Amino acid sequence: DAGVTQSPTHLIKTRGQQVTLRCSPKSGHDTVSWYQQALGQGPQFIFQYYEEEERQRGNFPDRFSGHQFPNYSSELNVNALLLGDSALYLCASSPGTGAPYEQYFGPGTRLTVT
Amino acid sequence: KQEVTQIPAALSVPEGENLVLNCSFTDSAIYNLQWFRQDPGKGLTSLLLIQSSQREQTSGRLNASLDKSSGRSTLYIAASQPGDSATYLCAVTMDSNYQLIWGAGTKLIIKP
Repeated sequence: DAGVTQSPTHLIKTRGQQVTLRCSPKSGHDTVSWYQQALGQGPQFIFQYYEEEERQRGNFPDRFSGHQFPNYSSELNVNALLLGDSALYLCASSPGTGAPYEQYFGPGTRLTVT
Repeated sequence: KQEVTQIPAALSVPEGENLVLNCSFTDSAIYNLQWFRQDPGKGLTSLLLIQSSQREQTSGRLNASLDKSSGRSTLYIAASQPGDSATYLCAVTMDSNYQLIWGAGTKLIIKP
């Protein structure tokens, strides 16, 4: 079992550009959540996808959008990048429906905006 | 609004000591609480998950306790080793809510 995988590992972008980050969930998991972790802080919830729909969203602007594919993999898109978007972006997957379950995390994508 | 706090922010102890990390939360209506470990620049590894109906969970040298009424959890690490050096984060999930709400973490250094 490969666990949760994310790509790319590192990314450098310029202010104003757009970026797409990718996540493949753990086998058997159908729910994907995205988190942003700034240096020295705990992660912040961006949104969660289930059955190809955004099920819940945190306090992030519309520049942050996502998508979930029929195979449960997911993308995080960020438009009009700001310097403050520099962070580690973490993807987590979990199984099942209804009540929240234990989430399994990928290694993250380190985004640097210059 | 749920807030999660971890104290201390950093801790340095000699190898072999037993230690306790603290996590507090302001809203006791949690569904579960998880402790994670994060190595520098890396993702998160789940250590222990405690359901709201449970009082504690154990895995090897780790023991996590939960007191919902007081809004506190502790992570006890026995016989610490240099390989335990990492940042430890706690996170809660609320009833009928899917996001994890995180503390800022405790950076632990175990000195050989």
